[in-house]
Amino acid sequence: DTAVSQTPKYLVTQMGNDKSIKCEQNLGHDTMYWYKQDSKKFLKIMFSYNNKELIINETVPNRFSPKSPDKAHLNLHINSLELGDSAVYFCASSQDTRGEQYFGPGTRLTVT
Amino acid sequence: EDKVVQSPLSLVVHEGDTVTLNCSYEVTNFRSLLWYKQEKKAPTFLFMLTSSGIEKKSGRLSSILDKKELFSILNITATQTGDSAIYLCAAGSNYKLTFGKGTLLTVNP
Repeated sequence: DTAVSQTPKYLVTQMGNDKSIKCEQNLGHDTMYWYKQDSKKFLKIMFSYNNKELIINETVPNRFSPKSPDKAHLNLHINSLELGDSAVYFCASSQDTRGEQYFGPGTRLTVT
Repeated sequence: EDKVVQSPLSLVVHEGDTVTLNCSYEVTNFRSLLWYKQEKKAPTFLFMLTSSGIEKKSGRLSSILDKKELFSILNITATQTGDSAIYLCAAGSNYKLTFGKGTLLTVNP
């Protein structure tokens, strides 16, 4: 019954590794997002996808590559992880590009 | 650059008090103002405001938007310990939300 789900919930990895986070929504929404929340709890948009098409990339390093295989899924792959990538990553979705956004439970990424 | 500023950054009150949280914004192509509550995990949606002067209410929570002054407030009456959380304000524009840094509300018994 979970509306927006993410896996994994926790991810601990070493610098230089490559990792992926998966997101799925069962709300039938057209638009999905990735946000990064830093240690001071500041939430910042990374990417927006509408109907599987990338519509926003907020100056995120090329090491981050989102992929949307269909409207219900938006995955995030991160190459060559750095210490500064440690954060909580939230996936969200909305009915369209104007509607309220619903957030997944977050993935806490720790890079050592 | 789009900006959302919340005040105060933190607030400690006693159960039963009424609190007002503030949010100002400067956002290109503004469409809506949203409030979220974040406890330990994900932000949960409270309100979305698109029109000036129309109050939205849900139980003890209410919110209003002033599009002329670029400002919104969130009121919580008769606070309870379960209201303790970070309250996030976000301005919706082209395909994204710009968040403020949040107000940490602590309600003591």
